[in-house]
Amino acid sequence: KAGVTQTPRYLIKTRGQQVTLSCSPISGHRSVSWYQQTPGQGLQFLFEYFSETQRNKGNFPGRFSGRQFSNSRSEMNVSTLELGDSALYLCASSLSGGPDTQYFGPGTRLTVL
Amino acid sequence: EDQVTQSPEALRLQEGESSSLNCSYTVSGLRGLFWYRQDPGKGPEFLFTLYSAGEEKEKERLKATLTKKESFLHITAPKPEDSATYLCAVQVPGNQFYFGTGTSLTVIP
Repeated sequence: KAGVTQTPRYLIKTRGQQVTLSCSPISGHRSVSWYQQTPGQGLQFLFEYFSETQRNKGNFPGRFSGRQFSNSRSEMNVSTLELGDSALYLCASSLSGGPDTQYFGPGTRLTVL
Repeated sequence: EDQVTQSPEALRLQEGESSSLNCSYTVSGLRGLFWYRQDPGKGPEFLFTLYSAGEEKEKERLKATLTKKESFLHITAPKPEDSATYLCAVQVPGNQFYFGTGTSLTVIP
């Protein structure tokens, strides 16, 4: 079974631009969560989508948004990029989002210059 | 406030020197506790899930245990390839996950 895939793997943007990251979950998984990982803060939860609906949201500004499609694929968008948005963005999928194991993708490394 | 704390932040072991990593948590309710291994520049790799106090899981040189307030990841006779960052996460009612900041393990040959 294929794992979680994320595209692109690396991105370089400048301040003020916007970016869209993509995540394809494991086949059959309906819950997709997004995390931001930085050396100082560790893994910070952004949001979770289940059946095309945002079910949970972390404490991030409105510049961070996401969506999920009917095939469970998910996208995350960051508008008006800031230097502090440089991070590894991780996507994780699980069957239902209940007490299920989350499986992570390889991440997208975003660098904001 | 839900919180997960891992200790130590970093650990250096000689090959074969057993030790334990700690994950303590303060949460409103525990649906599950998860251990992951993360290599530099990669996504976390799932190791174990524990659901209730007293539960134990083993895989090769790793053994995870759970009490009502903390979990331990015991590493027996580690090898250099066990070097990685080990992350602990808890899932609370409402399905949100909270992660600790990890323990960076280095095993010296």
